Amino acid sequence: QITLKESGPTLVKPTQTLTLTCTFSGFSLSTSGVGVGWIRQPPGKALEWLALIYWDDDKRYSPSLKSRLTITKDTSKNQVVLTMTNMDPVDTATYYCAHWDMTTVTAFDYWGQGTLVTVSS
Amino acid sequence: DIQMTQSPSSLSASVGDRVTITCQASQDISNYLNWYQQKPGKAPKLLIYDASNLETGVPSRFSGSGSGTDFTFTISSLQPEDIATYYCQQYDNLPGGFTFGPGTKVDIK
Repeated sequence: QITLKESGPTLVKPTQTLTLTCTFSGFSLSTSGVGVGWIRQPPGKALEWLALIYWDDDKRYSPSLKSRLTITKDTSKNQVVLTMTNMDPVDTATYYCAHWDMTTVTAFDYWGQGTLVTVSS
Repeated sequence: DIQMTQSPSSLSASVGDRVTITCQASQDISNYLNWYQQKPGKAPKLLIYDASNLETGVPSRFSGSGSGTDFTFTISSLQPEDIATYYCQQYDNLPGGFTFGPGTKVDIK
Protein backbone atom coordinates (compact mmCIF):
# COMPACT_ATOMS: atom_id res chain seq x y z
CA GLN A 1 0.00 0.00 0.00
CA ILE A 2 1.04 3.61 -0.47
CA THR A 3 2.60 5.39 2.48
CA LEU A 4 4.40 8.72 2.81
CA LYS A 5 6.28 10.19 5.73
CA GLU A 6 7.72 13.66 6.24
CA SER A 7 10.96 14.30 8.10
CA GLY A 8 13.02 17.34 8.96
CA PRO A 9 13.69 19.84 11.72
CA THR A 10 10.95 20.75 14.16
CA LEU A 11 12.48 24.15 14.91
CA VAL A 12 14.21 26.59 12.60
CA LYS A 13 15.39 30.13 13.18
CA PRO A 14 14.19 33.11 11.17
CA THR A 15 16.15 33.62 7.91
CA GLN A 16 17.30 30.00 7.90
CA THR A 17 16.55 27.52 5.11
CA LEU A 18 14.15 24.66 5.81
CA THR A 19 14.80 21.28 4.24
CA LEU A 20 12.06 18.65 4.42
CA THR A 21 12.19 15.11 3.10
CA CYS A 22 9.24 12.99 2.04
CA THR A 23 10.04 9.28 2.04
CA PHE A 24 7.44 7.12 0.35
CA SER A 25 6.67 3.53 -0.50
CA GLY A 26 4.10 1.64 -2.54
CA PHE A 27 4.65 3.59 -5.76
CA SER A 28 7.44 4.80 -7.99
CA LEU A 29 8.14 8.37 -9.01
CA SER A 30 9.37 7.07 -12.32
CA THR A 31 5.89 5.87 -13.28
CA SER A 32 4.15 8.02 -15.86
CA GLY A 33 1.54 10.35 -14.39
CA VAL A 34 2.72 10.17 -10.78
CA GLY A 35 3.64 13.18 -8.68
CA VAL A 36 4.39 14.13 -5.08
CA GLY A 37 3.22 17.42 -3.65
CA TRP A 38 3.81 19.48 -0.53
CA ILE A 39 1.01 21.19 1.34
CA ARG A 40 1.23 23.13 4.60
CA GLN A 41 -1.22 24.23 7.27
CA PRO A 42 -0.50 26.93 9.86
CA PRO A 43 -2.06 26.18 13.26
CA GLY A 44 -5.81 26.71 13.09
CA LYS A 45 -5.70 27.80 9.46
CA ALA A 46 -6.43 26.41 6.01
CA LEU A 47 -4.40 24.14 3.77
CA GLU A 48 -1.97 25.79 1.37
CA TRP A 49 -0.42 24.00 -1.60
CA LEU A 50 3.31 24.68 -1.97
CA ALA A 51 4.87 22.59 -4.73
CA LEU A 52 4.60 19.41 -6.76
CA ILE A 53 7.07 17.35 -8.75
CA TYR A 54 6.07 14.92 -11.51
CA TRP A 55 7.60 11.66 -12.66
CA ASP A 56 9.22 13.45 -15.61
CA ASP A 57 10.85 16.04 -13.30
CA ASP A 58 8.33 18.71 -14.25
CA LYS A 59 7.98 21.01 -11.25
CA ARG A 60 5.12 23.28 -10.17
CA TYR A 61 5.23 25.95 -7.49
CA SER A 62 2.79 28.16 -5.67
CA PRO A 63 3.12 31.54 -7.39
CA SER A 64 3.23 33.38 -4.05
CA LEU A 65 6.13 31.28 -2.73
CA LYS A 66 7.91 30.31 -5.93
CA SER A 67 11.00 32.44 -5.25
CA ARG A 68 11.63 30.63 -1.95
CA LEU A 69 10.89 27.02 -2.90
CA THR A 70 12.83 24.23 -4.55
CA ILE A 71 11.49 20.70 -5.00
CA THR A 72 13.64 17.78 -6.10
CA LYS A 73 13.31 14.01 -6.27
CA ASP A 74 15.57 11.02 -5.79
CA THR A 75 13.78 8.19 -7.53
CA SER A 76 16.26 5.56 -6.38
CA LYS A 77 15.69 6.48 -2.73
CA ASN A 78 11.93 7.05 -3.08
CA GLN A 79 12.33 10.54 -1.69
CA VAL A 80 11.19 14.06 -2.50
CA VAL A 81 12.92 17.02 -0.91
CA LEU A 82 11.46 20.50 -0.41
CA THR A 83 13.62 23.45 0.52
CA MET A 84 12.21 26.79 1.62
CA THR A 85 14.55 29.72 2.07
CA ASN A 86 14.39 32.75 4.35
CA MET A 87 12.04 31.20 6.91
CA ASP A 88 9.82 33.52 8.94
CA PRO A 89 7.58 32.92 11.97
CA VAL A 90 4.55 33.07 9.64
CA ASP A 91 5.90 29.88 8.02
CA THR A 92 5.19 27.97 11.23
CA ALA A 93 2.94 25.16 10.08
CA THR A 94 2.39 21.45 9.71
CA TYR A 95 3.94 20.40 6.42
CA TYR A 96 2.43 17.45 4.53
CA CYS A 97 3.56 15.54 1.49
CA ALA A 98 0.99 13.75 -0.64
CA HIS A 99 0.72 11.42 -3.65
CA TRP A 100 -0.81 12.60 -6.94
CA ASP A 101 -1.55 10.44 -9.97
CA MET A 102 -2.80 11.96 -13.20
CA THR A 103 -3.78 8.56 -14.63
CA THR A 104 -6.13 7.44 -11.88
CA VAL A 105 -7.53 9.74 -9.21
CA THR A 106 -6.39 13.24 -10.09
CA ALA A 107 -6.22 14.32 -6.47
CA PHE A 108 -4.00 14.07 -3.43
CA ASP A 109 -5.20 10.59 -2.52
CA TYR A 110 -2.54 9.56 -0.02
CA TRP A 111 -1.04 11.85 2.60
CA GLY A 112 1.76 11.67 5.11
CA GLN A 113 1.04 12.29 8.78
CA GLY A 114 2.56 15.75 8.60
CA THR A 115 5.44 17.35 10.46
CA LEU A 116 5.13 20.51 12.55
CA VAL A 117 7.80 23.09 11.86
CA THR A 118 8.12 26.04 14.22
CA VAL A 119 10.02 29.14 13.18
CA SER A 120 11.36 30.99 16.19
CA SER A 121 14.56 32.53 17.42
CA ASP B 1 -4.02 32.59 -10.20
CA ILE B 2 -7.31 30.80 -9.62
CA GLN B 3 -8.94 31.71 -6.30
CA MET B 4 -11.36 29.45 -4.46
CA THR B 5 -14.12 30.52 -2.09
CA GLN B 6 -16.26 28.31 0.12
CA SER B 7 -19.48 28.95 1.95
CA PRO B 8 -20.43 28.83 4.65
CA SER B 9 -17.20 29.08 6.65
CA SER B 10 -18.86 27.05 9.39
CA LEU B 11 -22.17 25.37 10.07
CA SER B 12 -23.95 23.51 12.82
CA ALA B 13 -26.48 20.80 12.00
CA SER B 14 -28.29 17.95 13.67
CA VAL B 15 -27.57 14.26 13.16
CA GLY B 16 -29.51 13.13 10.11
CA ASP B 17 -29.63 16.57 8.52
CA ARG B 18 -28.69 17.20 4.91
CA VAL B 19 -25.60 19.43 4.76
CA THR B 20 -24.53 21.40 1.70
CA ILE B 21 -21.28 23.28 1.14
CA THR B 22 -20.55 25.37 -1.92
CA CYS B 23 -17.23 26.13 -3.56
CA GLN B 24 -16.69 28.73 -6.24
CA ALA B 25 -13.69 29.16 -8.53
CA SER B 26 -12.59 32.54 -9.86
CA GLN B 27 -12.54 31.10 -13.40
CA ASP B 28 -13.72 28.06 -15.30
CA ILE B 29 -11.99 24.93 -13.99
CA SER B 30 -14.18 22.39 -15.81
CA ASN B 31 -14.57 19.51 -13.32
CA TYR B 32 -11.07 19.75 -11.88
CA LEU B 33 -12.32 19.98 -8.33
CA ASN B 34 -11.71 17.72 -5.34
CA TRP B 35 -13.14 17.59 -1.81
CA TYR B 36 -11.27 16.60 1.35
CA GLN B 37 -12.27 15.96 4.95
CA GLN B 38 -9.90 16.88 7.76
CA LYS B 39 -10.42 15.91 11.38
CA PRO B 40 -8.48 17.68 14.14
CA GLY B 41 -4.85 16.61 14.33
CA LYS B 42 -5.16 14.41 11.25
CA ALA B 43 -4.09 14.64 7.63
CA PRO B 44 -6.78 15.45 5.08
CA LYS B 45 -8.67 12.57 3.51
CA LEU B 46 -9.86 12.55 -0.10
CA LEU B 47 -13.63 12.13 -0.42
CA ILE B 48 -14.59 13.31 -3.91
CA TYR B 49 -12.45 13.75 -7.02
CA ASP B 50 -13.20 15.35 -10.38
CA ALA B 51 -16.20 17.11 -8.85
CA SER B 52 -18.49 14.11 -8.52
CA ASN B 53 -16.54 10.86 -8.23
CA LEU B 54 -16.64 9.14 -4.87
CA GLU B 55 -13.25 7.89 -3.70
CA THR B 56 -13.12 4.16 -3.00
CA GLY B 57 -14.28 3.31 0.50
CA VAL B 58 -16.00 6.62 1.16
CA PRO B 59 -19.60 6.32 2.37
CA SER B 60 -22.27 7.06 -0.21
CA ARG B 61 -23.84 9.79 1.96
CA PHE B 62 -21.08 12.03 0.60
CA SER B 63 -21.55 13.44 -2.90
CA GLY B 64 -20.37 16.24 -5.13
CA SER B 65 -21.63 18.05 -8.19
CA GLY B 66 -20.94 21.01 -10.42
CA SER B 67 -18.68 22.16 -13.20
CA GLY B 68 -17.20 25.37 -14.50
CA THR B 69 -17.05 27.74 -11.54
CA ASP B 70 -19.73 26.49 -9.14
CA PHE B 71 -19.56 23.29 -7.14
CA THR B 72 -21.54 21.67 -4.35
CA PHE B 73 -20.60 19.11 -1.71
CA THR B 74 -23.40 17.31 0.13
CA ILE B 75 -23.68 15.05 3.14
CA SER B 76 -27.11 13.47 2.75
CA SER B 77 -27.51 12.46 6.37
CA LEU B 78 -25.02 13.97 8.82
CA GLN B 79 -23.39 11.49 11.20
CA PRO B 80 -21.43 12.24 14.39
CA GLU B 81 -18.22 11.01 12.74
CA ASP B 82 -18.61 13.63 9.99
CA ILE B 83 -17.55 16.40 12.36
CA ALA B 84 -14.59 17.89 10.51
CA THR B 85 -13.42 20.68 8.27
CA TYR B 86 -14.08 20.22 4.56
CA TYR B 87 -11.88 21.71 1.84
CA CYS B 88 -12.36 22.02 -1.87
CA GLN B 89 -9.27 22.01 -4.08
CA GLN B 90 -8.85 22.86 -7.74
CA TYR B 91 -6.12 21.86 -10.12
CA ASP B 92 -5.24 23.14 -13.55
CA ASN B 93 -2.67 21.82 -15.93
CA LEU B 94 -1.72 25.24 -17.22
CA PRO B 95 0.15 26.68 -15.44
CA GLY B 96 -0.23 23.77 -13.08
CA GLY B 97 -1.66 25.14 -9.88
CA PHE B 98 -3.35 23.39 -7.01
CA THR B 99 -5.41 25.74 -4.85
CA PHE B 100 -7.36 24.88 -1.72
CA GLY B 101 -10.46 26.66 -0.57
CA PRO B 102 -10.58 28.26 2.91
CA GLY B 103 -12.51 25.37 4.42
CA THR B 104 -15.90 24.79 6.02
CA LYS B 105 -16.08 23.60 9.62
CA VAL B 106 -19.01 21.28 10.30
CA ASP B 107 -20.29 20.77 13.86
CA ILE B 108 -23.16 18.88 15.42
CA LYS B 109 -25.93 21.05 16.84
